[in-house]
Amino acid sequence: DAGVTQSPTHLIKTRGQQVTLRCSPKSGHDTVSWYQQALGQGPQFIFQYYEEEERQRGNFPDRFSGHQFPNYSSELNVNALLLGDSALYLCASAWGSGAGNTIYFGEGSWLTVV
Amino acid sequence: EDQVTQSPEALRLQEGESSSLNCSYTVSGLRGLFWYRQDPGKGPEFLFTLYSAGEEKEKERLKATLTKKESFLHITAPKPEDSATYLCAVGVQAGTALIFGKGTTLSVSS
Repeated sequence: DAGVTQSPTHLIKTRGQQVTLRCSPKSGHDTVSWYQQALGQGPQFIFQYYEEEERQRGNFPDRFSGHQFPNYSSELNVNALLLGDSALYLCASAWGSGAGNTIYFGEGSWLTVV
Repeated sequence: EDQVTQSPEALRLQEGESSSLNCSYTVSGLRGLFWYRQDPGKGPEFLFTLYSAGEEKEKERLKATLTKKESFLHITAPKPEDSATYLCAVGVQAGTALIFGKGTTLSVSS
């Protein structure tokens, strides 16, 4: 049973560039959330997608956008990259969008902005 | 404001020395409390979900408990392979996002 898979695992971008991160949810899951984790901090919620719509958004600027496809996979796009966007980006999936549902994380995509 | 606080930030134990990690929370309507383990450079690995005060769950050397204000992760006779950062998170009534604490980094030496 494949878990949550993310790509790429590591990438380096220059300030001002744009990046796209990809995620395939765990088999049977239909809800995808994205989190940003800075060094030494807990993950911070970016947004959640369910039924191909953004259902909830955390305190992140519009430079962060996403998409969910009919097969439940998802993309996270970040425009006009800043040095402060350097972090581990985590995708998580669940069955259903309820607040009490257990979510399972992928291994993350390490983004370094130089 | 919904908030999760974990203590201590770091904990060093000798192999076999049992201890507890604390997660205190202030939220408007708890829908679930979650514990995750995170190894360096990896994504969080799910451990437990607790839904109501008095609930307990166990897995090998780990036992999680929940009260109305806090949760404890008890580690019995830890081994070096238990070394990791343990994250606590809550799901709240107002939305579907998880709110995480900063984690407790556990180091177990032999």
